[in-house]
Amino acid sequence: ELKVEQNPLFLSMQEGKNYTIYCNYSTTSDRLYWYRQDPGKSLESLFVLLSNGAVKQEGRLMASLDTKARLSTLHITAAVHDLSATYFCAVDSLAYGNKLVFGAGTILRVKS
Amino acid sequence: GAGVSQTPSNKVTEKGKYVELRCDPISGHTALYWYRQSLGQGPEFLIYFQGTGAADDSGLPNDRFFAVRPEGSVSTLKIQRTERGDSAVYLCASSINRESYEQYFGPGTRLTVT
Repeated sequence: ELKVEQNPLFLSMQEGKNYTIYCNYSTTSDRLYWYRQDPGKSLESLFVLLSNGAVKQEGRLMASLDTKARLSTLHITAAVHDLSATYFCAVDSLAYGNKLVFGAGTILRVKS
Repeated sequence: GAGVSQTPSNKVTEKGKYVELRCDPISGHTALYWYRQSLGQGPEFLIYFQGTGAADDSGLPNDRFFAVRPEGSVSTLKIQRTERGDSAVYLCASSINRESYEQYFGPGTRLTVT
C-alpha cells in the first residue's frame, strides 16, 4: 500500500527565515508532487519530480527528491507572508493505477 | 482556457437525502478523478475514469457512493442516504490521459450533511 507522511504538520515561522518540510513515502512511486492550498481554495500544482536527484525551484521554494530514501523535501528560503498556506506532497504509481496518494499536509504560517 | 469546473460550490443537505455533484473536466481530457478531502486532511482518492468507464473505483467508501461519466466528459458523483460523515470537500481533477502526470484540480464542492 502506498502511504505518504509529511512533517511537520504545522509550521509557524518568522519572515526571512528558512525551513524545510519533509515528505516520506512507503514504497516505490513513479512521481512525486507538491501542491499548495489556500483556505477554501483548490489545489495549485507547485512541482512534479520524476527522477532520483531531481531538484526544482520556483521563487523561494525548492523541491528535491531522493528515491532511494523515499524522501522529498520542500525548502523555503527567506519566507514571506504570502507563502502562508497548506502544502501537500503526493505520490502516484502506475502500479497503483495513477491515483494520487496525499500526505496530511503541512500548515505553514509566516508571521510578519 | 477554461479549467475544471464543479457545481454546486456548496451543498447543504439533510441526513438521509440523495445528492449529486457535477464535474466538468478540461475539454479533451480523457482521464477524470474524484477525491474527497475531509477537514484538516489531505485529499483521498475515490474513483478514476478513463473515457466513459470507471477504471478504478477502489476508493469509494461503500455502495452509497456511485459515479458516472456517460459521454466521457462530464462526470456526476452520486451519494445516496447521506450521512454526517460524508461531509467534506469533493474535488475533481482531470488529465489529458492516463499517462499524463499533470492532474488539474477543480475548485471543489463543499458538502455539509446536517
